Amino acid sequence: EAGVTQFPSHSVIEKGQTVTLRCDPISGHDNLYWYRRVMGKEIKFLLHFVKESKQDESGMPNNRFLAERTGGTYSTLKVQPAELEDSGVYFCASSPLTGDNSPLHFGNGTRLTVT
Amino acid sequence: AQSVTQPDIHITVSEGASLELRCNYSYGATPYLFWYVQSPGQGLQLLLKYFSGDTLVQGIKGFEAEFKRSQSSFNLRKPSVHWSDAAEYFCAVGGRGSQGNLIFGKGTKLSVKP
Repeated sequence: EAGVTQFPSHSVIEKGQTVTLRCDPISGHDNLYWYRRVMGKEIKFLLHFVKESKQDESGMPNNRFLAERTGGTYSTLKVQPAELEDSGVYFCASSPLTGDNSPLHFGNGTRLTVT
Repeated sequence: AQSVTQPDIHITVSEGASLELRCNYSYGATPYLFWYVQSPGQGLQLLLKYFSGDTLVQGIKGFEAEFKRSQSSFNLRKPSVHWSDAAEYFCAVGGRGSQGNLIFGKGTKLSVKP
């Protein structure tokens, strides 16, 4: 099966610009998660979709971040306007809807650099 | 506060030597514990997990980890390291109902000397 796919793999933008990251989960996985790793820090949870609904968005840092999952398939994470501290690697993960025992399948991440 | 501590940022071991990566956690409920590995340019891959039962869990690639509740630890071990094990390793904790809202440590980067 195809894994979790993230686009782009790298993005370099200037402060104040907008960037949209995309995640295609494994087909049939209802759970979709966004995580972020800022340089030298922990990987931090951002939010969780179950199908098209936001289940938990407690990790979203502020209202410059907007995540969507229209139709319950792929998801986008938009940062508008981007700030320097948004630089980092954004990971997407997915899992089937079978409870806590489901392992997360991670994508390769998008490395975002804001200059 | 809930947290995961990986005290070693970077470890270098010789190929064939044994390995132990440390992980301590602080979590208010019964923890679910995970070890993930990230090879260069790749996503995170699950090595093993502990939910309940036997406190010594076996994972992929010859790795194992032992859950010690009294020490709040979940250290990862491998008896003989291979050059292909060079990667970054992450310990994570979650709980019942937390779904994928995991708390990760900062990671330990493993280098392997020939």
